Amino acid sequence: GAGVSQTPSNKVTEKGKYVELRCDPISGHTALYWYRQSLGQGPEFLIYFQGTGAADDSGLPNDRFFAVRPEGSVSTLKIQRTERGDSAVYLCASSPSSGSYNEQFFGPGTRLTVL
Amino acid sequence: DQQVKQNSPSLSVQEGRISILNCDYTNSMFDYFLWYKKYPAEGPTFLISISSIKDKNEDGRFTVFLNKSAKHLSLHIVPSQPGDSAVYFCAASVENDYKLSFGAGTTVTVRA
Repeated sequence: GAGVSQTPSNKVTEKGKYVELRCDPISGHTALYWYRQSLGQGPEFLIYFQGTGAADDSGLPNDRFFAVRPEGSVSTLKIQRTERGDSAVYLCASSPSSGSYNEQFFGPGTRLTVL
Repeated sequence: DQQVKQNSPSLSVQEGRISILNCDYTNSMFDYFLWYKKYPAEGPTFLISISSIKDKNEDGRFTVFLNKSAKHLSLHIVPSQPGDSAVYFCAASVENDYKLSFGAGTTVTVRA
């Protein structure tokens, strides 16, 4: 079956611009996660959705970052007034349900470059 | 605050030999540990996991060992194969939590 997909695969933008990153989870997965991976680091948690609601957004670095999942499937991560420090690979993952013992399936990521 | 640490950024091993990857953690609340493997331009894929009630879990060529008192785990790959060349991430979580805390990764290169 289809895995987690993310679009675009690469995004280059200028400082101050607005970007949207999209994630299509595995069909039927209720839990969706966003992580950010900076160069030389492991993925860092940003936000978690259970269904349509953001159950935990404690990892979002500031209020320029926002994510939605209006119908409990596709999710969009939105970044306003981008800064060079936002450059990273943004990873989306999904799992059949929440809970620590559920394997998270990752997409290939969107590489964001802010010039 | 890096709660999961992989102190070796890279490892080179000859094909057929054993690869040993190490991981240390600081949060004593962690009770579930995972290893993910990542190829370039792909997302991390789950490899093997271990619960804190165990000290060893084996799956084919992959074995994970957990030493809770030392807050240390390791991944053994034997025998190593060229297709094992990838970045390996150690990750940990707390029961009833969903967030994974990742280490910085170890790049494994298997030489023919």
